[in-house]
Amino acid sequence: AQTVTQSQPEMSVQEAETVTLSCTYDTSESNYYLFWYKQPPSRQMILVIRQEAYKQQNATENRFSVNFQKAAKSFSLKISDSQLGDTAMYFCAFMKPWDSNYQLIWGAGTKLIIKP
Amino acid sequence: DGGITQSPKYLFRKEGQNVTLSCEQNLNHDAMYWYRQDPGQGLRLIYYSQIVNDFQKGDIAEGYSVSREKKESFPLTVTSAQKNPTAFYLCASSILAGGSEQYFGPGTRLTVT
Repeated sequence: AQTVTQSQPEMSVQEAETVTLSCTYDTSESNYYLFWYKQPPSRQMILVIRQEAYKQQNATENRFSVNFQKAAKSFSLKISDSQLGDTAMYFCAFMKPWDSNYQLIWGAGTKLIIKP
Repeated sequence: DGGITQSPKYLFRKEGQNVTLSCEQNLNHDAMYWYRQDPGQGLRLIYYSQIVNDFQKGDIAEGYSVSREKKESFPLTVTSAQKNPTAFYLCASSILAGGSEQYFGPGTRLTVT
């Protein structure tokens, strides 16, 4: 069974700093998708970034980028030039393939606090 | 505006009562999901549905029931058989394709005393 582990329950950095959130996963699949979702204090879950396992290139979305290490089963999220609005819970998620109905397996989350 | 609505935002019930949480989407998505979120844990899947009149149990379906009579609607009933119902409940929807984003509603906080 697939599992997702986020080893950092909470992190805090100063505004404008760069921060990296860790995520590791376990799967025997070769083709899959990985996601980072953000849940701010409003509790509205929002997609930050997604990565397709068969793509070598790391995904980027503005200040957000990932370091995808397929062999190591690692999928970390880097936030550059952090802003106060980045304060949120961040969840890493693994998508099961089509034969498991594309279900998401979620990590426990990392609470990120950006300090002014 | 397209999106997912959940109502109510906060819900209070006495132990032993069934309660139904509403979830509606106007995104024309085939798939809909119910998750439970507890402090310090990731989201756990309760039920999901890929087509009208069909749904499957997720990892923690015991004590819950759902229906999918319309594509737009996927209500969740928390029954008195659910041992620890107090939690934050999130509804989501998506298209059925690999890598597709799940869109989430604002959630319902259920407190049972």
